[in-house]
Amino acid sequence: EAQVTQNPRYLITVTGKKLTVTCSQNMNHEYMSWYRQDPGLGLRQIYYSMNVEVTDKGDVPEGYKVSRKEKRNFPLILESPSPNQTSLYFCASNPTGGTYEQYFGPGTRLTVT
Amino acid sequence: AQRVTQPEKLLSVFKGAPVELKCNYSYSGSPELFWYVQYSRQRLQLLLRHISRESIKGFTADLNKGETSFHLKKPFAQEEDSAMYYCALSSWTGFQKLVFGTGTRLLVSP
Repeated sequence: EAQVTQNPRYLITVTGKKLTVTCSQNMNHEYMSWYRQDPGLGLRQIYYSMNVEVTDKGDVPEGYKVSRKEKRNFPLILESPSPNQTSLYFCASNPTGGTYEQYFGPGTRLTVT
Repeated sequence: AQRVTQPEKLLSVFKGAPVELKCNYSYSGSPELFWYVQYSRQRLQLLLRHISRESIKGFTADLNKGETSFHLKKPFAQEEDSAMYYCALSSWTGFQKLVFGTGTRLLVSP
């Protein structure tokens, strides 16, 4: 089944403890993104990647890092999480070119205390 | 700058009533617009896109370039339509980028 998977789905952590949220897609898509979803603010793009080893900042990149060593994986790294990073995170992927439909993962709910 | 505005945070209607979820956009080029839907405990998924001019689950949306709007409509709401709806704009700034509105929660009561 074609899909985007994220792990973990739920995470509670403490301020400053490094964490990684994994994202994987099996559709051979070139383009992958990370979003955070907050009430009243909708979805905001954190980082995106156009292909392996090509990443760039989205609208709200502060406090986050990403890497794209393989086409299928796009992990989101929080080196020193803070409470304002408590949010619902979505990974998405799509092929380049043509109509721009994104395929979303199930989401990761992160709480930083 | 590209921007998508959804003025209503919550839209509450009764089953069988017409529904219109508003979306206005700001974009200097030729826009591609989408509606995404997120049902309870499910992932965000594409509902429809303006270039397809299709009707999905009874929903339609027409791009009005004069009013820069892309409102989502359904003549008779069903309880299973209750969900969060996001309007999104695809822009080109050296790469394709999706810009989302803040979303409208549709609640359809029996």
